[in-house]
Amino acid sequence: AQSVTQPDIHITVSEGASLELRCNYSYGATPYLFWYVQSPGQGLQLLLKYFSGDTLVQGIKGFEAEFKRSQSSFNLRKPSVHWSDAAEYFCAVAISYNTDKLIFGTGTRLQVFP
Amino acid sequence: DTAVSQTPKYLVTQMGNDKSIKCEQNLGHDTMYWYKQDSKKFLKIMFSYNNKELIINETVPNRFSPKSPDKAHLNLHINSLELGDSAVYFCASSPRNGNIQYFGAGTRLSVL
Repeated sequence: AQSVTQPDIHITVSEGASLELRCNYSYGATPYLFWYVQSPGQGLQLLLKYFSGDTLVQGIKGFEAEFKRSQSSFNLRKPSVHWSDAAEYFCAVAISYNTDKLIFGTGTRLQVFP
Repeated sequence: DTAVSQTPKYLVTQMGNDKSIKCEQNLGHDTMYWYKQDSKKFLKIMFSYNNKELIINETVPNRFSPKSPDKAHLNLHINSLELGDSAVYFCASSPRNGNIQYFGAGTRLSVL
């Protein structure tokens, strides 16, 4: 069965520092990959997605993610974190373009210190 | 205008009661979903509907009954509420032939 693992439950960084959030997936073929962000008390907002093509994808709010097939990973990065980036981040996978089912990781909570 | 809106935002109720959560999307999407987020923040799909037709039912207890009066609305009715139903319920929608899901702000259900 497909699964998504986010190894880091909680990460703390200083404002201005770089950030990398890890995501590993389990699926035999190339999946469709997503990163969502959930701010406190809010719904989920799509940051970026990977369907095919260039393995480095750019998203909103200065985030990017890199798909590495050999490592079954889709890590999220940001070169300089802002205090407003403090939120819960979810990696998700879909097994086909038209599938209705997103499988989410357990999330990583990001805390940002001034 | 809010793209995917859920009401109510908070719902506090007693065990054994029946309650409903409403969801509406104004994006013209064909597919709508309900997800449950538990206390550990784990998100799991419950149902999806495509143009009022049930597509996914992820072994959810039959106390949960989704209803889609039209493709812009997907309501969730829960009978005989139990303590374990306490969670945040998210509605989402996506276009036909597309895989990007747009989420509502969630309904926090607390069963006492």
